[in-house]
Amino acid sequence: DTGVSQNPRHKITKRGQNVTFRCDPISEHNRLYWYRQTLGQGPEFLTYFQNEAQLEKSRLLSDRFSAERPKGSFSTLEIQRTEQGDSAMYLCASSLADRTGIYLGDTQYFGPGTRLTVL
Amino acid sequence: AQKITQTQPGMFVQEKEAVTLDCTYDTSDQSYGLFWYKQPSSGEMIFLIYQGSYDEQNATEGRYSLNFQKARKSANLVISASQLGDSTMYFCAEGGFKTIFGAGTRLFVKA
Repeated sequence: DTGVSQNPRHKITKRGQNVTFRCDPISEHNRLYWYRQTLGQGPEFLTYFQNEAQLEKSRLLSDRFSAERPKGSFSTLEIQRTEQGDSAMYLCASSLADRTGIYLGDTQYFGPGTRLTVL
Repeated sequence: AQKITQTQPGMFVQEKEAVTLDCTYDTSDQSYGLFWYKQPSSGEMIFLIYQGSYDEQNATEGRYSLNFQKARKSANLVISASQLGDSTMYFCAEGGFKTIFGAGTRLFVKA
């Protein structure tokens, strides 16, 4: 396992269609994160999982967005009824939680992203 | 609310010279981590260096060092001996579960 993988790498869809992206984290990592990145900006946090539990969601994640990590391994991010404003790069990252001491953040390892274009 | 500010949209440096990329952060947390990533045109964010808020010494990783000034809430990245391959986007981040990224600085290394 050489890193985080994401599929597809590119997705072009028409407005109103549903899309689903997949992320496969580094195998021993127990945390998984989704971010959205638009042109000229840094990644924006969407949600994160610890194992299969979704522990935090950003307000950016409207009810059209849903993420799952059913067995604590791979994750999917679905966008329903896509809008042109959803066009962005969707990045996935994973980390191995440090269970000892004061929490100071995990080093996250990112996948190559899925670039979504909504026409 | 957490916020990361990178005030330099673009920076130029001569090959083999050192360059500092600025980052200031705003957090009310007592314990936090600061990260730098670079993002080549392929899109993948690549981890460079980490500094914990309780670390007394500045972090170093090869040619990268982090100039951490806690009282000023700054976490500047220093790249020594710049190489042409260092030309790319650099992002500062703070967090946590909910990692917050700055808008990035594009570094141009001149031959």
